[in-house]
Amino acid sequence: NAGVTQTPKFQVLKTGQSMTLQCAQDMNHEYMSWYRQDPGMGLRLIHYSVGAGITDQGEVPNGYNVSRSTTEDFPLRLLSAAPSQTSVYFCASRLGHGIDGYTFGSGTRLTVV
Amino acid sequence: EDKVVQSPLSLVVHEGDTVTLNCSYEVTNFRSLLWYKQEKKAPTFLFMLTSSGIEKKSGRLSSILDKKELFSILNITATQTGDSAVYLCAPQGGGSNYKLTFGKGTLLTVNP
Repeated sequence: NAGVTQTPKFQVLKTGQSMTLQCAQDMNHEYMSWYRQDPGMGLRLIHYSVGAGITDQGEVPNGYNVSRSTTEDFPLRLLSAAPSQTSVYFCASRLGHGIDGYTFGSGTRLTVV
Repeated sequence: EDKVVQSPLSLVVHEGDTVTLNCSYEVTNFRSLLWYKQEKKAPTFLFMLTSSGIEKKSGRLSSILDKKELFSILNITATQTGDSAVYLCAPQGGGSNYKLTFGKGTLLTVNP
């Protein structure tokens, strides 16, 4: 039982490049979310999913896409990286229905130059 | 717009001290409030509070919720250097996603 696995752990991108941050969980959790964490801003919700095939926008969705083709995987795509997207990204999952807390992945530190 | 305010923003204490961290919130269709501890990496779940006045405890940590006054406190007794971390409060709203809104956190530093 690996929990929530994020890859890569670190990434440097040039402005305008695209990439996908991977997130996988093996706990059969329905709910998955992507957060970004910036100094002084706390954790902000980017996109979330309440089950396979269902996604929705969070607080700061611009510049990011997601899909949820399986229960296990919830990749986050940066379409055209910008320096403002330099951040630490966390993927999180939970069983659902608000009965438990989110389990977080170890994070991806992304730098856009 | 949902709001979460944590205080103090930072706190420095000596080992053995007792600390109280505060979280006030305004959240649409409030359902519960979660506390997390974040050291250098990912936040780890501490408590989920759903009912007013019922204290949850885990070792030296305890927490309570006041749904009338819209706040929660996290107490840590007999602090240790390993308690040094950022403590995050996250009230959970209603709707299909049970959205969590995180506060900016309280940075606790426990000195030996």
